[in-house]
Amino acid sequence: DAKTTQPNSMESNEEEPVHLPCNHSTISGTDYIHWYRQLPSQGPEYVIHGLTSNVNNRMASLAIAEDRKSSTLILHRATLRDAAVYYCILNDNNDMRFGAGTRLTVKP
Amino acid sequence: AAGVIQSPRHLIKEKRETATLKCYPIPRHDTVYWYQQGPGQDPQFLISFYEKMQSDKGSIPDRFSAQQFSDYHSELNMSSLELGDSALYFCASSLRVASGMDTDTQYFGPGTRLTVL
Repeated sequence: DAKTTQPNSMESNEEEPVHLPCNHSTISGTDYIHWYRQLPSQGPEYVIHGLTSNVNNRMASLAIAEDRKSSTLILHRATLRDAAVYYCILNDNNDMRFGAGTRLTVKP
Repeated sequence: AAGVIQSPRHLIKEKRETATLKCYPIPRHDTVYWYQQGPGQDPQFLISFYEKMQSDKGSIPDRFSAQQFSDYHSELNMSSLELGDSALYFCASSLRVASGMDTDTQYFGPGTRLTVL
């Protein structure tokens, strides 16, 4: 399975944008880039996914590099409720392998 | 909207006992996944089922088995429990998308916290 690399932790101020990076240099042509997050004491929650083009939904935006070797999850205005571990996962067969995500801390 | 239901939410067992965890997927979802998350660890994929057939297998111990029933609910059976089996067990469900069209979005349940004493 292709692997992803994310920073262990990041901090953000409330109501400011957050850019969470993910490197996936060994991505294959059929791998989709998925982002999930896990809030404290909860199960993982789907955030967004994409293949080649940038994607937007009500939760976030996903910016995918032209060579697809990296991507960035963008939270446009962080809130305290966005504090979570964010996982970037490559998925082409629907069985996701979670790596070590980024723990996002949001400061008031 | 209906979510994934897992039962029980908490379970305490002794070493060498057996445990059965249940998962009820979102209605109309045909695929179920099981994950194990140890303390301070990231979720690890165990096994998945699509239309009642095993779809993929991850790091599931031989002591564990699982199946998906005709109503699409799934059960994870764990035998000869060890202290190291203490973890959160998550079930997720999805509606399988045609290959090449997209990938599934998995919806996770709240988890079952298993404590082995």
